[in-house]
Amino acid sequence: SQQGEEDPQALSIQEGENATMNCSYKTSINNLQWYRQNSGRGLVHLILIRSNEREKHSGRLRVTLDTSKKSSSLLITASRAADTASYFCATDAGAGNNRKLIWGLGTSLAVNP
Amino acid sequence: DVKVTQSSRYLVKRTGEKVFLECVQDMDHENMFWYRQDPGLGLRLIYFSYDVKMKEKGDIPEGYSVSREKKERFSLILESASTNQTSMYLCASSPPGGVSNQPQHFGDGTRLSIL
Repeated sequence: SQQGEEDPQALSIQEGENATMNCSYKTSINNLQWYRQNSGRGLVHLILIRSNEREKHSGRLRVTLDTSKKSSSLLITASRAADTASYFCATDAGAGNNRKLIWGLGTSLAVNP
Repeated sequence: DVKVTQSSRYLVKRTGEKVFLECVQDMDHENMFWYRQDPGLGLRLIYFSYDVKMKEKGDIPEGYSVSREKKERFSLILESASTNQTSMYLCASSPPGGVSNQPQHFGDGTRLSIL
């Protein structure tokens, strides 16, 4: 079953606009991670936010976490064509030795020049 | 930067063949993972390893096995390839501190087609 679910599934914006993607999850977590995947390539880690953190920044990226709503958002400001990619959230789930990352299906972002 | 190298970007094999996918990382990471990625199904964990010679089943281990004889190398083996194993295979590694609370570093993937 999916722990993290991204919303929207697809997003198309113009260069310079902001892009917001959301991730909802079902069970309590220790941390949540965001990754980017360019077409035909592997995933690249963007940000890890722990359950006791509410917001984290990295360059043009801003991630928020609301554990009461079991949701997170990824904001990309001043988007560029190079930001075109799929974005995935991953949450940790399970217990003890069975703890592992559970991946959402991703948001496909297209930034048009 | 961490580099995770997968031996092939594209691979075509025949049904029933034994297939080896190799992955090497250069950052002395304890944890290594094999995923497959399919449209509409996302990333699914096949196997992971938290130390040399150690392995743990993921969500979909059936039809696969793994080998970790050296810390830097994690191999995925399709014992008898079937068409439903056509997929993108992604290898990842992460430092110690728990398999789920450290960033994972991915290779570029192997797109495997079984005919």
